[in-house]
Amino acid sequence: DAGITQSPRHKVTETGTPVTLRCHQTENHRYMYWYRQDPGHGLRLIHYSYGVKDTDKGEVSDGYSVSRSKTEDFLLTLESATSSQTSVYFCAISEGTGTGELFFGEGSRLTVL
Amino acid sequence: KNEVEQSPQNLTAQEGEFITINCSYSVGISALHWLQQHPGGGIVSLFMLSSGKKKHGRLIATINIQEKHSSLHITASHPRDSAVYICAVNSGGSNYKLTFGKGTLLTVNP
Repeated sequence: DAGITQSPRHKVTETGTPVTLRCHQTENHRYMYWYRQDPGHGLRLIHYSYGVKDTDKGEVSDGYSVSRSKTEDFLLTLESATSSQTSVYFCAISEGTGTGELFFGEGSRLTVL
Repeated sequence: KNEVEQSPQNLTAQEGEFITINCSYSVGISALHWLQQHPGGGIVSLFMLSSGKKKHGRLIATINIQEKHSSLHITASHPRDSAVYICAVNSGGSNYKLTFGKGTLLTVNP
């Protein structure tokens, strides 16, 4: 199994509070991704990174920011959480971006009250 | 944007049955992924293919590029195969342009 861990795995927070989710990999893969998974929707890309300090927006990036200061860590931050951001968040990594196989973390369940 | 449709949405089978899950997409692609997600669990990549057929144990994935269609087959199904199976297509040449289907929930009863 690919070495990819997410933390925290579960979090309950209140509207308006900041939240940071961490994705840590031990595979030295260049590409990292944050997705959210909601009932009735397929996985949707929030942000992705193609190298240290190199990030870009996905299709549902509003209200989220990311940072990648080291190859192994990709942080997802909700500056001011809203109830619409209640979701399960998945981090994924891939060695290449063309047609590289994706490896997913276990997911982080976030509830915003 | 590529539209990805999976069928059926839900599938219940008896242990030992042959299972087929279908994935259709609307725009040409460079690769297609099949993923597995157990209830409350993480997501595991089963296959990535761009042509033909791949086999891993009791799982077989096929793709027909001309018909824009892929199938995932499970032979001799087992209760541990119960999971959501997700199809994702790469139509932009990069993983950040993946479009995911909504998944097929498979339940295999003993």
